[in-house]
Amino acid sequence: DAGVIQSPRHEVTEMGQEVTLRCKPISGHDYLFWYRQTMMRGLELLIYFNNNVPIDDSGMPEDRFSAKMPNASFSTLKIQPSEPRDSAVYFCASSLSGAADTIYFGEGSWLTVV
Amino acid sequence: SQQGEEDPQALSIQEGENATMNCSYKTSINNLQWYRQNSGRGLVHLILIRSNEREKHSGRLRVTLDTSKKSSSLLITASRAADTASYFCAPLNTDKLIFGTGTRLQVFP
Repeated sequence: DAGVIQSPRHEVTEMGQEVTLRCKPISGHDYLFWYRQTMMRGLELLIYFNNNVPIDDSGMPEDRFSAKMPNASFSTLKIQPSEPRDSAVYFCASSLSGAADTIYFGEGSWLTVV
Repeated sequence: SQQGEEDPQALSIQEGENATMNCSYKTSINNLQWYRQNSGRGLVHLILIRSNEREKHSGRLRVTLDTSKKSSSLLITASRAADTASYFCAPLNTDKLIFGTGTRLQVFP
């Protein structure tokens, strides 16, 4: 299997622009997680899905952030409008049966908002 | 959900030495996982230890769990330069893995 695939790997955008990050989980995995990593705050869980349904979005920082999972093989994390403080590495991860199982991470999307 | 706290924050050793990292948590857990992150990469799962286990081995890795002290340790024996990375523990007691800030391990050749 190719693992969790994220795109883009790197993005530089101007403040106020919309950013869409994409993720393809490992085939057969029922859980998908979005994490954000910064030097100041470490790794933060933003949201996770089970069978394409959002289960817990309490980590989503504010209304500018939204996440969708239209089918089992695709998820998006959207930031609109983006702000410089959103600059971070965004990781998508998936697992067979939730957080109690091994979680497989993608390589991350490095976002810089200027 | 709860966050593990790793100690030390940073560790520098020579190749061949052993590296020990510790993790503390606050409430009861179902299991505890350790992950590694190489610079610029995603996290990679290393080992999972369940609450009813006290010790687990995987190659050069040895993980212990003391539920009475709410702590875990990760030992890397005979370290190599390739072990240079950040190491995270993630205790699980509900449905979410919350990672700590990690231990940055530097292994010098």
